[in-house]
Order: sequence, then C-alpha cells, then structure tokens
Amino acid sequence: DARVTQTPRDKVTEMGQEVTMRCQPILGHNTVFWYRQTMMQGLELLAYFRNRAPLDDSGMPKDRFSAEMPDATLATLKIQPSEPRDSAVYFCASGPGQFYNEQFFGPGTRLTVL
Amino acid sequence: GDSVTQMEGPVTLSEEAFLTINCTYTATGYPSLFWYVQYPGEGLQLLLKATKADDKGSNKGFEATYRKETTSFHLEKGSVQVSDSAVYFCALGEDSSYKLIFGSGTRLLVRP
Repeated sequence: DARVTQTPRDKVTEMGQEVTMRCQPILGHNTVFWYRQTMMQGLELLAYFRNRAPLDDSGMPKDRFSAEMPDATLATLKIQPSEPRDSAVYFCASGPGQFYNEQFFGPGTRLTVL
Repeated sequence: GDSVTQMEGPVTLSEEAFLTINCTYTATGYPSLFWYVQYPGEGLQLLLKATKADDKGSNKGFEATYRKETTSFHLEKGSVQVSDSAVYFCALGEDSSYKLIFGSGTRLLVRP
C-alpha cells in the first residue's frame, strides 16, 4: 500500500530555532506539494515541485522558508528562524504528474513554536 | 481565477440521517472535481472524484455528481454513521495546472 510518509510527526521547538520537515513521496510520483493547515487560514499551498524542480513557491514566506528536493525520494521544508506564527500542521502530498489528477497526502507534521 | 465554495459547517446530524454537503465551483475549462475527507489527526484522503460532466463519483456510500449546468458537485450519503464524523473538502483541478484548489472544508459531526 503506497503512502506518502512525513517525519517528524510532531515537533516542538523554541522561537528562533531551525526546523526541517521531511517527506517521502509515493514511488513514481513526480509532483510534490507542501501545504500548511491552521484553524484560522485553513489549507494553504506553500510550494510545489515537478520532476524535482520548483514550479511555484509563491505561497511561501521567502525570508524564512525554503523547500527543496535533493532527490526523487525526498522533499524537505525548512524554516529558519522559526516563529510562533509558524505553528501549524504541515502536509506533504504527491501526485502522478498529470493535469487534473488527485494528490495523495501524508499524515502531516504538527509544528509548535514556543 | 478558479475557486471552490462549500457550505459552512459544522453540520450536525443524527446517525442514519441523510447527508448533503453543498459545493459549487468557478473554473475555466473542464476541471476534474474531488471530495477529500480528513479524520482527526490525519491527512486528507481522497474520497471520490469525477472527471467530466454528468460523471458520478462514489465510495463508501458517498456519492457526488458533476453538474456542469449548475457548476456543482454536492456530496451525499443516504445514512451517515458516527464514524463519518470528519472534515470534508471539495476541490477542483486548476486549469492547465498540477494544482488542486480546495474549498474551506465542512466539519460533519454525527451523533449516536
């Protein structure tokens, strides 16, 4: 049963610390998406990749967030420095790389910045 | 741009009641339409989809029909269970894009 995996599942950190979240997309999927979910803002698309190249990162605060795909099996989202307003659940999703196709979501990383 | 509007929640029903969650969309082109479900503490899971007008998607007793004339994709279930309590998201595939446009989500609470 192919699934998107994310680590860590939970992260508590102090303001100013660097946070790295990792995602392993489903094997064979070539699009990867990062979302953030909060009660106030709902589900927001931060960035997405196709064939490891960033296609759109307009939803991401550029000064502190960065997203990369070092290889086809790993996507990372980094926050440096973290702030309390970054507290949220961060989801990774992958897709088969065709227009109009569904995305498959990971279980999420719950980030708390104190 | 493309957008999805779904009914505000929470929707509270008794077990075995009929469920409808409304979803309407605005889109250029002919998007695919999706319903996702999110159970507490989990990621979104695809519930059903429809790829063209008049298609009916169905899964686990839920169904939705792609209505181009009314630009709607309402989710229905004939008899809900307590285990259906979750947040339901309507989404569309953005024109000429890999992105999905999500609605704001509707929380469903089913009481025994």
